[in-house]
Amino acid sequence: AQSVTQLGSHVSVSEGALVLLRCNYSSSVPPYLFWYVQYPNQGLQLLLKYTSAATLVKGINGFEAEFKKSETSFHLTKPSAHMSDAAEYFCAVSPAGSARQLTFGSGTQLTVLP
Amino acid sequence: NAGVTQTPKFQVLKTGQSMTLQCAQDMNHNSMYWYRQDPGMGLRLIYYSASEGTTDKGEVPNGYNVSRLNKREFSLRLESAAPSQTSVYFCASSELGSGEQYFGPGTRLTVT
Repeated sequence: AQSVTQLGSHVSVSEGALVLLRCNYSSSVPPYLFWYVQYPNQGLQLLLKYTSAATLVKGINGFEAEFKKSETSFHLTKPSAHMSDAAEYFCAVSPAGSARQLTFGSGTQLTVLP
Repeated sequence: NAGVTQTPKFQVLKTGQSMTLQCAQDMNHNSMYWYRQDPGMGLRLIYYSASEGTTDKGEVPNGYNVSRLNKREFSLRLESAAPSQTSVYFCASSELGSGEQYFGPGTRLTVT
């Protein structure tokens, strides 16, 4: 069984400030981990993914995430928020090598304040 | 490339009516998925098709049926719509085993 918990359904940051979105996972087997972004009235778009290579993963739009096995975490960060980063972000997990059981967290709505 | 396309974009049904949501992808992916998105619950898998000719239930299959028409197309049918099926429905596709899914723009369904 696998699950994902995203801490904080809403996060607000000022433009230029650090973005930190938290994700903890539970998986009985080595996982693949993903962050997706959803802009208003659109489908989800992959930001980045961890598939057991480097633990620090860089994605699009300046985002990165670090896989920490000891903490079962995969937090998403960006050094400096931009207004265009305002969106909903989803963490997801699947068993390594499987595309079938992609389990999503409940999402974090990011607001960027001017 | 269009990627993943879904029709219709919006739909309003009365309780008991039926409808089919259409999905097509032009990326030659083997696997396709149907999700529903409800506020505060993330995305939940309804059905998936790992490859052409196969379909399997996901987390919330009750009240739905699917058809993998060919490699490109994967449809979702509601036989007798209920208000609890009011949601936004997303179709996605991926290469088998990659985990990287590509999503369509969604269908916003309201059942009154």
